[in-house]
Amino acid sequence: KAGVTQTPRYLIKTRGQQVTLSCSPISGHRSVSWYQQTPGQGLQFLFEYFSETQRNKGNFPGRFSGRQFSNSRSEMNVSTLELGDSALYLCASSPRVTSGLYNEQFFGPGTRLTVL
Amino acid sequence: DQQVKQNSPSLSVQEGRISILNCDYTNSMFDYFLWYKKYPAEGPTFLISISSIKDKNEDGRFTVFLNKSAKHLSLHIVPSQPGDSAVYFCAAIVQGAQKLVFGQGTRLTINP
Repeated sequence: KAGVTQTPRYLIKTRGQQVTLSCSPISGHRSVSWYQQTPGQGLQFLFEYFSETQRNKGNFPGRFSGRQFSNSRSEMNVSTLELGDSALYLCASSPRVTSGLYNEQFFGPGTRLTVL
Repeated sequence: DQQVKQNSPSLSVQEGRISILNCDYTNSMFDYFLWYKKYPAEGPTFLISISSIKDKNEDGRFTVFLNKSAKHLSLHIVPSQPGDSAVYFCAAIVQGAQKLVFGQGTRLTINP
């Protein structure tokens, strides 16, 4: 079974631009979560999508948004990029079949975003 | 507000000895705890977990201990092997939320 794939793997943008990152979950997984990893803040939860609906959200400004398609693929968008947005963006997929319990999340390799 | 803390940024252990990684949390609502291992240029991979109703969970060379009263958990690796060299993240969750809260990570280096 193929793992979680993220594209692109590396990206360089300049301040003020916007960027879209893509995540393809493991086949059959319907939940996709996004995390940001920075040296200063560590790994922080951005949001989770399940059945095309945002189910959970972290403490990030509205410049960070996402969506999920009917095939469970997800995209994350960051508008008006700032230098501090430079980070590794990780996507994790989960079957999310058991409500009320933790459903294991499987992480992709991440997209390394550099904002100049 | 760092709800999950790993106070040791790095740890160096001799091959064959025990590695002990520590993690503290502040949110008493957390009811499930996990350890992830991360190599450079890869996403974190799940290692072992423990529910808040238990105080110990073992899987091969890996054991996680949970002390709820102290809001502390630890990961023991015995014996340590060179392939264990990686960054280890402690994470906590309120089950049903799917929102993992991670610690800052501890870089473990196993010396031959």
